[in-house]
Amino acid sequence: DGGITQSPKYLFRKEGQNVTLSCEQNLNHDAMYWYRQDPGQGLRLIYYSQIVNDFQKGDIAEGYSVSREKKESFPLTVTSAQKNPTAFYLCASSPPDRGVDANEKLFFGSGTQLSVL
Amino acid sequence: AQSVAQPEDQVNVAEGNPLTVKCTYSVSGNPYLFWYVQYPNRGLQFLLKYITGDNLVKGSYGFEAEFNKSQTSFHLKKPSALVSDSALYFCAVLGGSYIPTFGRGTSLIVHP
Repeated sequence: DGGITQSPKYLFRKEGQNVTLSCEQNLNHDAMYWYRQDPGQGLRLIYYSQIVNDFQKGDIAEGYSVSREKKESFPLTVTSAQKNPTAFYLCASSPPDRGVDANEKLFFGSGTQLSVL
Repeated sequence: AQSVAQPEDQVNVAEGNPLTVKCTYSVSGNPYLFWYVQYPNRGLQFLLKYITGDNLVKGSYGFEAEFNKSQTSFHLKKPSALVSDSALYFCAVLGGSYIPTFGRGTSLIVHP
């Protein structure tokens, strides 16, 4: 899936537990994103990062946290404050250049399905 | 704020018939538009994009899309549908910000 690896593929969370979803890319992309996918709701942006050591909240950041200590890695933590975490989580990355000839598109990982026990 | 609308939750078409999956957008400035396809339990795969130039864009697997600025639309089309085209299709827009916005997705079902 375009050089982005998400793990694990399936993850279960107990009540009150924090869990971390991994996202690693070897595409040398500056920008990385986390999306949440629920049936019939499309993709909703949780957090994004356009450069190392910097990240911004997306539309539904409450109950989630991220870090961007390395260019290649953008882990997402689903905290106990997220009361409805069951969803399919997608990580993506993109090159920073928006020039006409740049290959501007998102590269997606294969996703992590998070469920609550 | 930028937005994307995919008015149909599901599109049904017979194999061999032409298909259209609709997308309209709202964005400030010139839009960058994309179509992605998702198969069950997988990430999204890039199909095609419009940045500038010809309004008809050709992409992977025989798909094409037509950019219509006056109607702010970017409909996905294919002249002859295959059963294997059955999947979830997402339209996305990139406007003045660097953050893409996705539609809710349209489930395409191609019947044998």
